[in-house]
Amino acid sequence: AQSVTQLDSHVSVSEGTPVLLRCNYSSSYSPSLFWYVQHPNKGLQLLLKYTSAATLVKGINGFEAEFKKSETSFHLTKPSAHMSDAAEYFCVVRDSSGGYNKLIFGAGTRLAVHP
Amino acid sequence: NAGVTQTPKFRILKIGQSMTLQCTQDMNHNYMYWYRQDPGMGLKLIYYSVGAGITDKGEVPNGYNVSRSTTEDFPLRLELAAPSQTSVYFCASSYPYGGGDHTDTQYFGPGTRLTVL
Repeated sequence: AQSVTQLDSHVSVSEGTPVLLRCNYSSSYSPSLFWYVQHPNKGLQLLLKYTSAATLVKGINGFEAEFKKSETSFHLTKPSAHMSDAAEYFCVVRDSSGGYNKLIFGAGTRLAVHP
Repeated sequence: NAGVTQTPKFRILKIGQSMTLQCTQDMNHNYMYWYRQDPGMGLKLIYYSVGAGITDKGEVPNGYNVSRSTTEDFPLRLELAAPSQTSVYFCASSYPYGGGDHTDTQYFGPGTRLTVL
């Protein structure tokens, strides 16, 4: 079965400092992995996705993530945090075992950005 | 192109009442989904549909029903509301997997915040 584990429920950074949100996955085959962001009282927006092409994936708003098979990780990073990055971030793996596009969500990491 | 729209944005129900959460997408996506998000948790799949007339249960279907009479609409019905159904409900849509790079992406609506008292 596919699953993802987000290692931190809360991360707090200062504006201008790097962001690291950690995600480990479990998959019986080469996974498709995603990061979604949810701003307060908003729907979810796709940040980036990995689908077995380049292992370093660039997304929107300066975020990127690196797929590391040896570590079963897909951590999200950004070199310099902005106040507008404060949101909930979800690491997601696609489960295609049922023949449809089912997403398995992690519990989320709440990112706080301080001035 | 409005994407995925949901109504209402907020609703308070009494125990035992019924309601329908509406979801519409204008992207001609075959696949549609309903999720619930409980506080501090990720999203859990309630029901999904791979096309008009075809629906199936997800991870947490009890207490809900769905129908899919058109490609655009995928309403979620709560028949006898219970406090355990207090949650934020998200509708999403996507292309069928396997049709290219874009088919993995699910597009989400803004959500419906439901409270059952």
